[in-house]
Amino acid sequence: GENVEQHPSTLSVQEGDSAVIKCTYSDSASNYFPWYKQELGKRPQLIIDIRSNVGEKKDQRIAVTLNKTAKHFSLHITETQPEDSAVYFCAARTGGFKTIFGAGTRLFVKA
Amino acid sequence: SAVISQKPSRDICQRGTSLTIQCQVDSQVTMMFWYRQQPGQSLTLIATANQGSEATYESGFVIDKFPISRPNLTFSTLTVSNMSPEDSSIYLCSVGKQAINTEAFFGQGTRLTVV
Repeated sequence: GENVEQHPSTLSVQEGDSAVIKCTYSDSASNYFPWYKQELGKRPQLIIDIRSNVGEKKDQRIAVTLNKTAKHFSLHITETQPEDSAVYFCAARTGGFKTIFGAGTRLFVKA
Repeated sequence: SAVISQKPSRDICQRGTSLTIQCQVDSQVTMMFWYRQQPGQSLTLIATANQGSEATYESGFVIDKFPISRPNLTFSTLTVSNMSPEDSSIYLCSVGKQAINTEAFFGQGTRLTVV
């Protein structure tokens, strides 16, 4: 069935370093890939998204890349700051309009 | 962006009872989605609420347990029926961004505890 795998489950970086989170999806008909940030006790917030006709998208310190052939997509955060600490979820919208979430990555940015 | 109001924000319920969660959006959206997020876990899609038709449920979720209403393009409800402690979770509604039927914004969630 439809599945999104996300790695790593936990990531610890030093402030100022980069963080990379990787996801793979199973449904080749998936065409939309959002990334969410969830802070403790709060709702998930969309931080960036990418569509299947685009290979890369950047918004300030955040960038996403998509490799449709390999069914991989990644989130890159540069110059990390302590306030980037949160749980990040990748997701893929399938051909049937459903959005399937990855298991999440808990990011710790150490000051 | 869409403004989503979800209520109640939290509740403690007795087992065997039912709770209805409401989701109100400030603009018309075709699709609304209901998710469950168990503590420390990811988001699991329960169902898609379509206006004018029955909700579409994901594997493992059934209408008798999670009946959904979608009376118009700005409102939906999810009922958690005959609750047990295993239903303790956060329930979230979500709506699509702009005209594209993709979920992008979430309500603040309902933290349900069943005792």
